[in-house]
Amino acid sequence: DARVTQTPRHKVTEMGQEVTMRCQPILGHNTVFWYRQTMMQGLELLAYFRNRAPLDDSGMPKDRFSAEMPDATLATLKIQPSEPRDSAVYFCASGARVEQFFGPGTRLTVL
Amino acid sequence: DQQVKQNSPSLSVQEGRISILNCDYTNSMFDYFLWYKKYPAEGPTFLISISSIKDKNEDGRFTVFLNKSAKHLSLHIVPSQPGDSAVYFCAASVQGGSEKLVFGKGTKLTVNP
Repeated sequence: DARVTQTPRHKVTEMGQEVTMRCQPILGHNTVFWYRQTMMQGLELLAYFRNRAPLDDSGMPKDRFSAEMPDATLATLKIQPSEPRDSAVYFCASGARVEQFFGPGTRLTVL
Repeated sequence: DQQVKQNSPSLSVQEGRISILNCDYTNSMFDYFLWYKKYPAEGPTFLISISSIKDKNEDGRFTVFLNKSAKHLSLHIVPSQPGDSAVYFCAASVQGGSEKLVFGKGTKLTVNP
């Protein structure tokens, strides 16, 4: 049963702390996406990779967010320093064509 | 500037009746459209899609209709079941087979027994 996994599922941290979210895409999928879901904006694309190379990170606040794929089985999204406005659910998704498969999300709360 | 709009934040229907969820788009370069369903505390899951060369695609109780001239698509669920209660997202991809999807803000469907 292939699925996208994300860790941690929940994270509560204080403003100014570093947060790292991890994603394991489905084996064989060559595109990986990071989304953020908020009540106001819905699902926003933050960044995506194809064959581990970053293709588009225009949705990401560059001063504090960074996304990487150290290898084909791991994608990371890092926020440093975190701020209360970063509180949201962060989803990772992977795909081989247009259809994307989502992980369960990381619910981040920054106090 | 929202390129994919779901103007109804919520919809409530009776079990057994038809649910119609609507989606409008502004970018004429979109050529592939998808619907995702999302339950609380889970990620969105793919439901059904349609290419711009078609105007209808059906899969069991779910049918998606596309009206390109109006830049409008809709998802019909017949008959609606309580298990269909979820948030439904409309998404579109730009011409050229890009994997990048643009999502609407979602419509929360409640099916009452």
